[in-house]
Amino acid sequence: AQTVTQSQPEMSVQEAETVTLSCTYDTSESDYYLFWYKQPPSRQMILVIRQEAYKQQNATENRFSVNFQKAAKSFSLKISDSQLGDAAMYFCAYRPLGGANSKLTFGKGITLSVRP
Amino acid sequence: GAVVSQHPSRVICKSGTSVKIECRSLDFQATTMFWYRQFPKQSLMLMATSNEGSKATYEQGVEKDKFLINHASLTLSTLTVTSAHPEDSSFYICSARGRRALSYEQYFGPGTRLTVT
Repeated sequence: AQTVTQSQPEMSVQEAETVTLSCTYDTSESDYYLFWYKQPPSRQMILVIRQEAYKQQNATENRFSVNFQKAAKSFSLKISDSQLGDAAMYFCAYRPLGGANSKLTFGKGITLSVRP
Repeated sequence: GAVVSQHPSRVICKSGTSVKIECRSLDFQATTMFWYRQFPKQSLMLMATSNEGSKATYEQGVEKDKFLINHASLTLSTLTVTSAHPEDSSFYICSARGRRALSYEQYFGPGTRLTVT
């Protein structure tokens, strides 16, 4: 079974600084998707960034980028120029390619606070 | 992106009663819907997966007679919590994938907070 591990329950960052959130996963598949989701206090799940495992290039979305190390099964999220609105719970998630019913496996999440 | 709505956003019910939560895909046809449960400060736990017109597939440990899921149309799925007890109090989130969605796309509803008194 696939597992996703986020070992840090909480992190804090100064506004405008950079922070990296860690995630490791375990799978025997060679192709899959990895995601970072943000859940702000409203609790609406928001997709931050995704990575297809077959792509060697790390995904980037504006201030958000990932460091995808397939061999090490590591998928960290870097947030640059942190803003107060980045304060939220962040979940790393894995999904096999599969079909329409393939399931997302979430990590335990990390609570990120941003200091003004 | 596509929009998924849930109704109600909050509900309080008495112990022993049943409550229904609706999940709708507003601008796409949802061939697959997922129901999650989330406790405060914890991760999302998948309860069941449903396909339009088929019976839901429940995760291990989820009581199918207690959490009734119906996916009667391509835009509506419902979760009914039967004979609710205080321990059923939680945040319930639905998520949907569409017929013509790219394989990675999955959209989340805003969630429903259920409180059983």
